[in-house]
Amino acid sequence: KAGVTQTPRYLIKTRGQQVTLSCSPISGHRSVSWYQQTPGQGLQFLFEYFSETQRNKGNFPGRFSGRQFSNSRSEMNVSTLELGDSALYLCASSFGRQSSYNEQFFGPGTRLTVL
Amino acid sequence: AQKVTQAQTEISVVEKEDVTLDCVYETRDTTYYLFWYKQPPSGELVFLIRRNSFDEQNEISGRYSWNFQKSTSSFNFTITASQVVDSAVYFCALSEATQNTDKLIFGTGTRLQVFP
Repeated sequence: KAGVTQTPRYLIKTRGQQVTLSCSPISGHRSVSWYQQTPGQGLQFLFEYFSETQRNKGNFPGRFSGRQFSNSRSEMNVSTLELGDSALYLCASSFGRQSSYNEQFFGPGTRLTVL
Repeated sequence: AQKVTQAQTEISVVEKEDVTLDCVYETRDTTYYLFWYKQPPSGELVFLIRRNSFDEQNEISGRYSWNFQKSTSSFNFTITASQVVDSAVYFCALSEATQNTDKLIFGTGTRLQVFP
């Protein structure tokens, strides 16, 4: 069974640009969550999607957005990039059943560098 | 408020030493899950263990063992006879079951370096 895949693995952008990261969950998983990892703030929750709907959102500015498609693949977008957006962005997928624990499986991450 | 604290930023040991990584959590929920993840230099988070709030039984898996104590809100992780391959950053995390979300709240991580 293929794991969670994220593309691209590495990305270099300049301030003010925008970026789109992609995540393909494990087959059969309907929930995708995104996390940002930085040396200063650690691992922080960005948002969670289930069946194309945002189920939860972390405390990030509106420049960070995401969406999920009918095949459960997800994209996240960061507009007007700032130096502080440089981070490892991790995606996790799960079955997403309600009222039940859902184990999350993480992808290898996309390392974004903003110059 | 939910919070996970890993007070140890970095630990260095020599191979074959035992090492314990501490984790203290805060939550108002009565039903929650606790996790340990390992992050090697490649960056991917590797799942190690999950514990739910109703199961305080300690668990052993090979050289790994976990001590869950609700009375002190702690979920500590011990590696026995450490090996160089155990070198990584280890994260403790919390998920609150009543919030209808799989959101994980992570601690700041403990970097473990095992020297030969």
